[in-house]
Amino acid sequence: GAGVSQSPSNKVTEKGKDVELRCDPISGHTALYWYRQSLGQGLEFLIYFQGNSAPDKSGLPSDRFSAERTGGSVSTLTIQRTQQEDSAVYLCASSLIGLAGIAYEQYFGPGTRLTVT
Amino acid sequence: AQRVTQPEKLLSVFKGAPVELKCNYSYSGSPELFWYVQYSRQRLQLLLRHISRESIKGFTADLNKGETSFHLKKPFAQEEDSAMYYCALPYSGAGSYQLTFGKGTKLSVIP
Repeated sequence: GAGVSQSPSNKVTEKGKDVELRCDPISGHTALYWYRQSLGQGLEFLIYFQGNSAPDKSGLPSDRFSAERTGGSVSTLTIQRTQQEDSAVYLCASSLIGLAGIAYEQYFGPGTRLTVT
Repeated sequence: AQRVTQPEKLLSVFKGAPVELKCNYSYSGSPELFWYVQYSRQRLQLLLRHISRESIKGFTADLNKGETSFHLKKPFAQEEDSAMYYCALPYSGAGSYQLTFGKGTKLSVIP
């Protein structure tokens, strides 16, 4: 079946521009995650959505970063006024959530490689 | 705060040799730990989780609470094992769930 998809696969932007990254989770997965993968930093958690609950935004590195999840499905990560240090691969994942809020396996998308020049 | 440490950025072994990828964690409580793998030009995927006690692709990992370690082992490395490996520790609480990843170890199996 279809896995998690992300678009675009690559994005090159100039410093100071805004970018939007899109994630389509696996159908039926109520939990959606964004992570950032950068050289030397590994994988960092950014934000977590679960159903209609308020998202956990504790991993967003600055107020230039925001994310939405519309209709409990597609999510958009927006970075305003991009900086060179935002260059990274942005990964989206989705999962089912079981009892007591424990997630089942997270399935990852292919990522969006963002380059800020 | 919980933390995952993978001390080796790069590990090179010869085909057929044993391989051990190290992972240490800091966590108060009874942890659940994962190993994720990312092959070249493929997406990140779950390799194994300690509660399932499975052997996947010949890899095993044992949780050692005394040493706070979850090292990944395989007795005989294969070329197709070359990949990035990430150890991960989940955090669950206050309406959130997330994975804390180590910085990863790149395994290179030399033919």
